[in-house]
Amino acid sequence: DAKTTQPTSMDCAEGRAANLPCNHSTISGNEYVYWYRQIHSQGPQYIIHGLKNNETNEMASLIITEDRKSSTLILPHATLRDTAVYYCIVRPDALINAGGTSYGKLTFGQGTILTVHP
Amino acid sequence: DVKVTQSSRYLVKRTGEKVFLECVQDMDHENMFWYRQDPGLGLRLIYFSYDVKMKEKGDIPEGYSVSREKKERFSLILESASTNQTSMYLCASSLLGRGVNEQYFGPGTRLTVT
Repeated sequence: DAKTTQPTSMDCAEGRAANLPCNHSTISGNEYVYWYRQIHSQGPQYIIHGLKNNETNEMASLIITEDRKSSTLILPHATLRDTAVYYCIVRPDALINAGGTSYGKLTFGQGTILTVHP
Repeated sequence: DVKVTQSSRYLVKRTGEKVFLECVQDMDHENMFWYRQDPGLGLRLIYFSYDVKMKEKGDIPEGYSVSREKKERFSLILESASTNQTSMYLCASSLLGRGVNEQYFGPGTRLTVT
């Protein structure tokens, strides 16, 4: 899996957009960008993923640069409940078994601690 | 709404006890995973299963076994609990093939072995 780099922490005011960057300069052509978050004492939560086009769902938007070397997760109107650790992961979107090593294993780095303030 | 449930949020067991952690998903997912999460070590895969009665070792299977008798249920078994198995245990599920990395996690079981 390609290595990702994220800021250690970020702050955001409630109601404002939170923009979380991720650098993945060694991303391969078949690798997708995934975002997860983990609220304290809860299981991780899938947010969104994309390959090269920008993506939007009910939780967030994902903006991927044209060269795919970086991306930004956007929470358009952050709330206090969005305070969490946000993880950016880059990996192929396929199960590889029978001699492969991928098999859908998720590995989280340090992530970004997002704190939303009132 | 997708749902992964785990049998307990908190569990305290004694060294040497046999421990069963149950996970159930209602999304008809083929894949199910067991991870443990420890401070400073991140998320580590213990076992996963891509079909009923199928299982594959992850990165840290020692001291654990699993059972998948039904598609919706994946059990993690600690044959003889030890203090170094004190951890947060997380179950997840996903589709087979494309979508494998869109994993849905349960709330976690915080296991303490004394």
